[in-house]
Amino acid sequence: DAKTTQPPSMDCAEGRAANLPCNHSTISGNEYVYWYRQIHSQGPQYIIHGLKNNETNEMASLIITEDRKSSTLILPHATLRDTAVYYCIVRDRNSGNTPLVFGKGTRLSVIA
Amino acid sequence: DSGVTQTPKHLITATGQRVTLRCSPRSGDLSVYWYQQSLDQGLQFLIQYYNGEERAKGNILERFSAQQFPDLHSELNLSSLELGDSALYFCASSVDPDAGELFFGEGSRLTVL
Repeated sequence: DAKTTQPPSMDCAEGRAANLPCNHSTISGNEYVYWYRQIHSQGPQYIIHGLKNNETNEMASLIITEDRKSSTLILPHATLRDTAVYYCIVRDRNSGNTPLVFGKGTRLSVIA
Repeated sequence: DSGVTQTPKHLITATGQRVTLRCSPRSGDLSVYWYQQSLDQGLQFLIQYYNGEERAKGNILERFSAQQFPDLHSELNLSSLELGDSALYFCASSVDPDAGELFFGEGSRLTVL
């Protein structure tokens, strides 16, 4: 799997948009970008994934650059409950038995 | 609530002992995954089962074993426990064995004294 690079930590004011960047400069054509988050000691939670088009769901938006070398997860109106570690993962969805590999992620702190 | 159930939630035991962690996947999910999360290692993939068969293996120690039963629940057996085995053990499930969208349980926290 391609490696990802994320900032170790970020702060965001409550009610503002949280923009979490991820660099995946070695991504290949078949690899998707997945985002998960883990609220303190809870199980990781799937957020969103995409291949090359921007994606949006009820939790977040995923913006992938045209060259696919980086992406941004956007939480449009961050709340205190969004404080968590956010993981950006690159994986070939059709890779058979290749598991999801979690890196260190970005620790997002939402501040009141 | 992800629909994945793990028991026990907490477990305290001594070195050298053996424990079994149990996981019930979401209804309809055929694939089960086990991950270990310790303070210094982050989330580490251990093993994946699909419909009763082992599908992928990660950094699982020989002292650890797992299986998936016909009713699709899974058990992770940890034996000859060491202090370093203290960690959170997460189970996840998915419908598609190649999926990147996994649903995780709340974990079993193992403390080895």
